[in-house]
Amino acid sequence: DAGVIQSPRHEVTEMGQEVTLRCKPISGHNSLFWYRQTMMRGLELLIYFNNNVPIDDSGMPEDRFSAKMPNASFSTLKIQPSEPRDSAVYFCASSFFGTSQYNEQFFGPGTRLTVL
Amino acid sequence: RKEVEQDPGPFNVPEGATVAFNCTYSNSASQSFFWYRQDCRKEPKLLMSVYSSGNEDGRFTAQLNRASQYISLLIRDSKLSDSATYLCAVNSGGYQKVTFGTGTKLQVIP
Repeated sequence: DAGVIQSPRHEVTEMGQEVTLRCKPISGHNSLFWYRQTMMRGLELLIYFNNNVPIDDSGMPEDRFSAKMPNASFSTLKIQPSEPRDSAVYFCASSFFGTSQYNEQFFGPGTRLTVL
Repeated sequence: RKEVEQDPGPFNVPEGATVAFNCTYSNSASQSFFWYRQDCRKEPKLLMSVYSSGNEDGRFTAQLNRASQYISLLIRDSKLSDSATYLCAVNSGGYQKVTFGTGTKLQVIP
């Protein structure tokens, strides 16, 4: 069974460039989450979708960040323009949201972003 | 007060020892609790959900204390392979959204 797939795994870019991160959730999952992890701030939720609709984007740091989910099997997180402080590991996770109070999230391998 | 707090450690324990971590949460309305394991430079992986009555999976036992608002993870007979960072997660705002703690680092020493 394929887990959550993310690409690229590593990205090195220069300040001011546009960065696009991609995610394919686990088939059958209806919720998708984008997280950012740094040593200083830990794992932070940026945005999550349910049935392809953004539900909560309160964690998106600023207008430079945007996320889309055009269909159930694909999502992107875009940073434009990128800044050195955006350097972090970006994780995508998916889950099945149903009637249970337990909606375990499964993480992709992450994209390690370095902005020079 | 942070929504979810963990002692960052590191906890250095010898092989075979028993070690326990706690994770406190601030929202008394929280209903869903989880422990994740994260190896260095890897993604978090679900270790176990924490049920009201407590639950066990092999050497791992998770418990919930609603009165004091914390969850715990007990690891018995520690193995070298248990060395990792353990993250707790607590739902915040509905059952979908969770807040993660910053993690507790465990190092099991030969």
